[in-house]
Amino acid sequence: DVKVTQSSRYLVKRTGEKVFLECVQDMDHENMFWYRQDPGLGLRLIYFSYDVKMKEKGDIPEGYSVSREKKERFSLILESASTNQTSMYLCASSFRTRTSGRDGHEQYFGPGTRLTVT
Amino acid sequence: AQSVTQLDSQVPVFEEAPVELRCNYSSSVSVYLFWYVQYPNQGLQLLLKYLSGSTLVKGINGFEAEFNKSQTSFHLRKPSVHISDTAEYFCAVSFSGGYNKLIFGAGTRLAVHP
Repeated sequence: DVKVTQSSRYLVKRTGEKVFLECVQDMDHENMFWYRQDPGLGLRLIYFSYDVKMKEKGDIPEGYSVSREKKERFSLILESASTNQTSMYLCASSFRTRTSGRDGHEQYFGPGTRLTVT
Repeated sequence: AQSVTQLDSQVPVFEEAPVELRCNYSSSVSVYLFWYVQYPNQGLQLLLKYLSGSTLVKGINGFEAEFNKSQTSFHLRKPSVHISDTAEYFCAVSFSGGYNKLIFGAGTRLAVHP
């Protein structure tokens, strides 16, 4: 079974703090994604990575950065947390069809981290 | 630009009744289509996907969906729902050559009542 794990299920941070959200997958997937989930808005892509040290901005990258030093780990960083970043954060991973030859259409999701910034 | 619209934010239904969750998309290129389900306090799980071939796709837990290219729709159906189907359902699209990035709809909350 594919396993995507996230470091925390619940997190409470203060405004201005630097926040690290960690995601680890065990299926040797090339692609990794960070989404933000808000009621009525569905999931919105923050950043994704298609290889180690490679990253691309998604639809809402402002206020976030990412790091991918190892293939299995993808970190989301809030440089200076603000209250409007209170949300559910979901990590996902998939194969990269072009390089692996395997079907990359299915994304596998972690359980999510509910972040509250006060 | 591509977009996904889920036409109902909430769908209440009685147990053993049929249900349809509606999804429309907008795209100028060929798409791949997905339905994901999110049970309370969990991540998303793939229900079914359309990549090519037959327009009627069967998924897990008795769900199916039909791809209608002319109406740009991908509605999800189940002939008889159970209490355990209570969850949030997300329709999503991706595009060839786009690193398999997904664009999600806003979600439909299905509430099954006894």
